[in-house]
This record gives sequence, structure tokens and C-alpha cells, in this order.
Amino acid sequence: EAQVTQNPRYLITVTGKKLTVTCSQNMNHEYMSWYRQDPGLGLRQIYYSMNVEVTDKGDVPEGYKVSRKEKRNFPLILESPSPNQTSLYFCASSSGQGREPQHFGDGTRLSIL
Amino acid sequence: AQKVTQAQTEISVVEKEDVTLDCVYETRDTTYYLFWYKQPPSGELVFLIRRNSFDEQNEISGRYSWNFQKSTSSFNFTITASQVVDSAVYFCALSEAWLTGGGNKLTFGTGTQLKVEL
Repeated sequence: EAQVTQNPRYLITVTGKKLTVTCSQNMNHEYMSWYRQDPGLGLRQIYYSMNVEVTDKGDVPEGYKVSRKEKRNFPLILESPSPNQTSLYFCASSSGQGREPQHFGDGTRLSIL
Repeated sequence: AQKVTQAQTEISVVEKEDVTLDCVYETRDTTYYLFWYKQPPSGELVFLIRRNSFDEQNEISGRYSWNFQKSTSSFNFTITASQVVDSAVYFCALSEAWLTGGGNKLTFGTGTQLKVEL
């Protein structure tokens, strides 16, 4: 079954404690992306990757890091989380062409206290 | 820059009513793609439809229909005979045709919360 898998689904942690949200896709997609969803703001892109070792900033990259060492994985790293990063996060993948729908993971709800 | 506006923050209807969710977009691209996603209370994002900028045919899928009008930069979504299971947040989104400086980014609207009551 084609899917994008995120882990964890829920996490409550404290300010400054480094965390990683993993994302894996099994569709051999070249393009992967991270979004955050906040009330009244919709979804906004954090980072994206067009292929292995190719990443770039989206609209709201501050406070986040990513890496793309393998095609299937695209982890999101919060080196020093802060309360303003409390949000619902989605990983997505697609073939990279604009016409193709992006496949989303089920979301990760992060609470930074 | 691309922009998607969903002016309706929340809509409440009674079951079996028809409801239209509005979406207005801005883009300088001549080729682009429009999407609708549904986010039920469980939180996942469910793809509903994609429309190409060069295809203004309206589309119907069961109780769902979409009206795309380039002249008014709108891509509205109508649910006929709404049901309680339609209760969700609905997002309209815009994508460029191909990879550019912004990548294959989806620009989302802020979403419309639809509540369908008995």
C-alpha cells in the first residue's frame, strides 16, 4: 500500500530538548516536503527536497533542519524546540510534477512546553 | 507570489442542505493546478480533486461538484445533500506546473470548517 509514514503521531516535550520527526515514503517519490498547520493559517511549507541531498527552505524554515540521505526518508529536526513550534506537522511526497497530488502522512502533533 | 483565499472560516448547515465552499486564488503562472483536500476530525488530509488551469470543465463526483472559473480565479466546491460525515475542514490549494525556485509547493488556503448537523 502506497503511504507516507510519520513518527511519532503525538509528542509532548519541553523547550530546548532536541527532537526528530521521521518521515518515510514507499512510492519512490523524488519530492518530499514538510508543512505545519496552525489555526487560521492553513498549511505552510517548512522545507522541501527535490531529491537525495537536495533540500531547500520553504516559507517558514526558522528553527528547523532537514536531511535527505536516502530517497525514502526525510526527517524533520528541531534542534532547540520552542513553544511557538507547537503545531500539527505533515510530511508529504509526490513525483515532483505540479499536477500530481501530494500524498500526506497522518500528521504529527507536537506540543512544546 | 501565489495566494489562495478561503473567506469562509466556518459554515454550519443542516443535513441534506446543499453547501458551497468558496476558493479564490492568485498566481502569475499560466499553467497551474488546483486541489481540494478534506481534513476530517481524525486529522489526516484526504485528496479530493485536482484541476488543471487549461481545463475549465466542471466536474461532478457523486454528491461533490467543482466549478472552476479562470475569469474570476475561483475554484468552488459544492456538496449536494450534505451529510454528517461531510463535517470536516476543507482546504483549497494551488501548485505551480513544475519545479521552480519554490519547488513543488502547495500553497494552501486557510481552510473552511464545515459542520453538518442533524
